[in-house]
Parts: sequence; C-alpha cells; structure tokens
Amino acid sequence: QKEVEQDPGPLSVPEGAIVSLNCTYSNSAFQYFMWYRQYSRKGPELLMYTYSSGNKEDGRFTAQVDKSSKYISLFIRDSQPSDSATYLCATRNAGNNRKLIWGLGTSLAVNP
Amino acid sequence: EPEVTQTPSHQVTQMGQEVILRCVPISNHLYFYWYRQILGQKVEFLVSFYNNEISEKSEIFDDQFSVERPDGSNFTLKIRSTKLEDSAMYFCASSDWTDNQPQHFGDGTRLSIL
Repeated sequence: QKEVEQDPGPLSVPEGAIVSLNCTYSNSAFQYFMWYRQYSRKGPELLMYTYSSGNKEDGRFTAQVDKSSKYISLFIRDSQPSDSATYLCATRNAGNNRKLIWGLGTSLAVNP
Repeated sequence: EPEVTQTPSHQVTQMGQEVILRCVPISNHLYFYWYRQILGQKVEFLVSFYNNEISEKSEIFDDQFSVERPDGSNFTLKIRSTKLEDSAMYFCASSDWTDNQPQHFGDGTRLSIL
C-alpha cells in the first residue's frame, strides 16, 4: 500500500467554485499534515500546516485532517484563476526524523 | 519574507561528471533538506542535515551523494558521478529546529544529464 495517495486529476472548475482536494495515507504514526502549492517551474509553496486531527482555516483555504480515517482535505472557497496550480499533500512523523512523505499532486485549473 | 534560494536554476551535465547544487537556506533555520522530483513522479526525500551532520537519509542517497555546509550560509548537494537517472528537479528546504515547524522550499535546480 502506498504511503500517501492523491488523485492527480486534472481538475477543472469555473471561477468562484468551491474546490475540494483530498489525500489518504496509510501510516497512523503520521502527525503533521501539509498542503503545498506548486506553480509551473517553481518550488512547493507552503499553504497549510496542521498537527493531528482537526480543521484549520486561512482566508479562502481550509485544511481538514481526519486521523481516524487517515484522510486529509483542502478546500478552496471562491476559487480564482490564480489558484491554478498543482496542489501537493505531504505528511511526516513527529520527532527528529523529519522527512516529508508526499502525494503525487493534483493539477487544478480554475477557468475565468 | 525570507526565502530559500537555489543556484543554478538549470544545470546540464555530461553523464559521469560531478555536479554541485547550491542552496542558501533561511538564515535562522537549523534543519536543511534535499528532495528531488523526477518528471511525473512524487517528490522524494533525499537527506536531512542538522548540527553539521546528516540526520536522516533515504535509500536514494547512496555513496554518490554528499552534502556539506561549507560556511554559515550555504548548503550544497554533490553528486560525484552523475547517471542519466539523476535527471530531476532538486529542491532544497529548511526549517527551524523545533519539531513543529514546517519546511520551506526553494524553486529548485533542474538537473539534466546527457
């Protein structure tokens, strides 16, 4: 079983739509959960960073972690063409071994 | 906002040659990382570095790879004898020393092995 699974899409939505992006993971030891945005020819840019289960909101973005089902989500409200990018989920254990385990990334296009 | 910078943005090298990828982490960060992303594949962890030594490394990080912090600002990844399969985007990241801090990434170096 792969450690982090993410549907690569592509996902295409009209401007203003609510976008839902999801990942599942297999290792119950994972404690930190991240969403990164990656534009073409750029590095991953941190969007959301959460510890354990729960919700976190930042502007139009909401991250949810459900550790019981090993499911993480990112919601984008009022999506904009500038949100068009690849969204990568990542996770890691707590402690000194800090390697991030990544999903494949979902390609999102927001059409004006 | 402080950022991680990487040079060069694109490196083209003949197979078998040595290559050094350079990174300047965020100035007050103490943990440093290298990841790579082969086209169409997941981002993969290579190595983490803390207190002037390797903290963790992956199976990919074999004897052909090495890392160094040659001075107070730079962090380098050396590949001694490049192979075709080393062609990838290489990302440097850094984080604060406390466990609950996220990793911040540079824009990467695209390494092309001919």
